[in-house]
Amino acid sequence: DAKTTQPNSMESNEEEPVHLPCNHSTISGTDYIHWYRQLPSQGPEYVIHGLTSNVNNRMASLAIAEDRKSSTLILHRATLRDAAVYYCILLKAAGNKLTFGGGTRVLVKP
Amino acid sequence: NAGVMQNPRHLVRRRGQEARLRCSPVKGHSHVYWYRQLPEEGLKFMVYLQKENIIDESGMPKERFSAEFPKEGPSILRIQQVVRGDSAAYFCASSPRSITGETQYFGPGTRLLVL
Repeated sequence: DAKTTQPNSMESNEEEPVHLPCNHSTISGTDYIHWYRQLPSQGPEYVIHGLTSNVNNRMASLAIAEDRKSSTLILHRATLRDAAVYYCILLKAAGNKLTFGGGTRVLVKP
Repeated sequence: NAGVMQNPRHLVRRRGQEARLRCSPVKGHSHVYWYRQLPEEGLKFMVYLQKENIIDESGMPKERFSAEFPKEGPSILRIQQVVRGDSAAYFCASSPRSITGETQYFGPGTRLLVL
């Protein structure tokens, strides 16, 4: 299975943008890039996903490199409620099993 | 619109007892997934079920663990003869159909503590 690599942690100030990188150099052509986040003591929550083109929704934006070997999740204005562990996950075309890595723990400072 | 519901939220068992964890998916969802999160670790996939069928149980221990998703009622994850190493948070997720890119909706989890 293709793996993802994320920094262990990142800090941000409230109201500032947060850019969360993810490397997936062995991604295959049919792998979708998914992002989930897990707030303290809660279940994971879907954030966004994409295949080749950049994607935007009300929660975040996803920028995908042209060669698809990396992507960046962008939180445009971090709030204290965005403090969570963010997981970058590749989802194979043939299955729906989510494989969670270590994720990036985001700390938002007031 | 109710999301994924799990009960109980907290469960305490003594070694050797049985634990039954229940998951009610989002209304209309026919696909259920169970994940386990050990303390200070990431989530690990256990099993994927569709109504009355186990599709993928590659992440579930071969012994003591079983899962079902009957035609009527919630999905059940059953752990027999629990041991201390079973202490973890167990999360259930559901999706409406099995296609790539489909969002999985997670429940709040059941935190199992084995004494």
